[in-house]
Amino acid sequence: GAGVSQSPSNKVTEKGKDVELRCDPISGHTALYWYRQSLGQGLEFLIYFQGNSAPDKSGLPSDRFSAERTGGSVSTLTIQRTQQEDSAVYLCASSFAISTDEQFFGPGTRLTVL
Amino acid sequence: QKEVEQDPGPLSVPEGAIVSLNCTYSNSAFQYFMWYRQYSRKGPELLMYTYSSGNKEDGRFTAQVDKSSKYISLFIRDSQPSDSATYLCATLSGSARQLTFGSGTQLTVLP
Repeated sequence: GAGVSQSPSNKVTEKGKDVELRCDPISGHTALYWYRQSLGQGLEFLIYFQGNSAPDKSGLPSDRFSAERTGGSVSTLTIQRTQQEDSAVYLCASSFAISTDEQFFGPGTRLTVL
Repeated sequence: QKEVEQDPGPLSVPEGAIVSLNCTYSNSAFQYFMWYRQYSRKGPELLMYTYSSGNKEDGRFTAQVDKSSKYISLFIRDSQPSDSATYLCATLSGSARQLTFGSGTQLTVLP
């Protein structure tokens, strides 16, 4: 069956521009997670959704980062006024529920801010 | 101190060797422990999942958790070149059940 998909796979942008990253979770998965993987910080949790709701935004690195999820499915992570330190691979994962269920990861979006 | 610490590697072994990958964690409340494998330019994939202390075996892979010493291990027997990847230990925590990862160990198995 179809796994988690993310688009674009690569994004190169100039400092100060806004970017939108998209995640399509596995059909029927109510829980969706965003993580960021960078050389300096490793793989770190950003935000999660239970359905369309994101109860805790404290993992987002700054107020330039926001995320939404619509229809209990697709999620977008938006970074405004990108900075060079935002360069990283942004990974999305989904699971059947917020529980101890396995999280399935997408291939990631590699963001480079010049 | 990071919540999950992992041996940095990189690690290079000959084909057929036994590989030992290790992590320590700081929070005694952690109950669920995972090992993920990540190939270059791919997302992590779950390899092993254990609850509390003990051993779990799956083919050539054995995951071991020692809660008394807060130590997590992954053993790979008869390692193959296809095992070459980055291995990440992780725990589940928080109300969101988010994953907290170690820094990853890059493994190369030489033919």
